[in-house]
Amino acid sequence: AQSVAQPEDQVNVAEGNPLTVKCTYSVSGNPYLFWYVQYPNRGLQFLLKYITGDNLVKGSYGFEAEFNKSQTSFHLKKPSALVSDSALYFCAVRDPPMDTGRRALTFGSGTRLQVQP
Amino acid sequence: ETGVTQTPRHLVMGMTNKKSLKCEQHLGHNAMYWYKQSAKKPLELMFVYSLEERVENNSVPSRFSPECPNSSHLFLHLHTLQPEDSALYLCASSLEGALDEQYFGPGTRLTVT
Repeated sequence: AQSVAQPEDQVNVAEGNPLTVKCTYSVSGNPYLFWYVQYPNRGLQFLLKYITGDNLVKGSYGFEAEFNKSQTSFHLKKPSALVSDSALYFCAVRDPPMDTGRRALTFGSGTRLQVQP
Repeated sequence: ETGVTQTPRHLVMGMTNKKSLKCEQHLGHNAMYWYKQSAKKPLELMFVYSLEERVENNSVPSRFSPECPNSSHLFLHLHTLQPEDSALYLCASSLEGALDEQYFGPGTRLTVT
């Protein structure tokens, strides 16, 4: 069964500093990986995804993520954090299409990012 | 605005009430999902509809009953709920296929008294 772990409940970073939000995964084959962000009282918004190809994926709002197959990780990064980046971040994984019975995503427990001015 | 709308945004209901949550997507997608988001717990997948057919039911109690009349609309009918069912209920949609991300609505905050 596929699973996702986000080891940090909360990450604190000062505005202007680089940020990293960690994610590790477990799947039976090659993974499809996603990052979503949730602002207060809102649904989840798609940030970026890794399907295949370049290990560094660029997404919305200046975020990027690095796929590392040997470490089974997909950490979210941003070179310079903004106060407005403060939100809840979710990593998600989906098994490749051979597993046709499982169409939805498996989400991590979420990491709250707090960017201090 | 993601193109997925949910109504109502907030709902308070007693344990004996019957209510329905509505989701509508304007993205031309053909798969729709219900998720439950509780405090301090990962998102829980409840139901998946693909091409208006239910393809996944994640051991959800029968007091939750989904309905997908067409590819743009998804309902979650609620009856005789329990206080522990209080949560944020999120609807999502996508194109059928593993490569496509899901787009989420803003959610319905449900409180069961």
